[in-house]
Amino acid sequence: EAGVVQSPRYKIIEKKQPVAFWCNPISGHNTLYWYLQNLGQGPELLIRYENEEAVDDSQLPKDRFSAERLKGVDSTLKIQPAELGDSAVYLCASSRGGRADTQYFGPGTRLTVL
Amino acid sequence: DAKTTQPPSMDCAEGRAANLPCNHSTISGNEYVYWYRQIHSQGPQYIIHGLKNNETNEMASLIITEDRKSSTLILPHATLRDTAVYYCIVRVGTSGTYKYIFGTGTRLKVLA
Repeated sequence: EAGVVQSPRYKIIEKKQPVAFWCNPISGHNTLYWYLQNLGQGPELLIRYENEEAVDDSQLPKDRFSAERLKGVDSTLKIQPAELGDSAVYLCASSRGGRADTQYFGPGTRLTVL
Repeated sequence: DAKTTQPPSMDCAEGRAANLPCNHSTISGNEYVYWYRQIHSQGPQYIIHGLKNNETNEMASLIITEDRKSSTLILPHATLRDTAVYYCIVRVGTSGTYKYIFGTGTRLKVLA
């Protein structure tokens, strides 16, 4: 079974530029998560999808961040415009859902904003 | 929200058991404890989870105290490849509103 796929693995951009990250979850996983991980810290949830519905986006900075999960499979996370403080690793995870579901993480995208 | 407290770092000799503690004193009755680990430049990897009973799988054992306020992850025979940051996580909330609260984890170094 293929794991969670993310691309690109690394991205370097100038501040104020837009950037997008893509995630393909494990087949059959209805729940998809985007996390932000700063250096030396644990991941922090940005948004959670149940199929195509965003059920928890309370931690997503909506002035510059947006996400979509069309057709309830792949997902894209966008930042526009990027700021220096957005430099971090962006992780995608998926799970089947349910009472004791287990999340499986992708390798992440390391973003550097110059 | 329940939070976890872990020592920032630990060392363990190769071949010995690694015992990683975690405190979660505000955990509620229906909240699961999960353990993940993260090797440099990779995403977190699932290890094990539990609610009340002790659990064991091919990777590790999870010992949860009777009052559920703390737990210990045991890697029975640590190898150099077990060097990683280990996160103890509590899933809080109920279906539709739950979330995973990651702490800063324990950096385990397995020594040859």
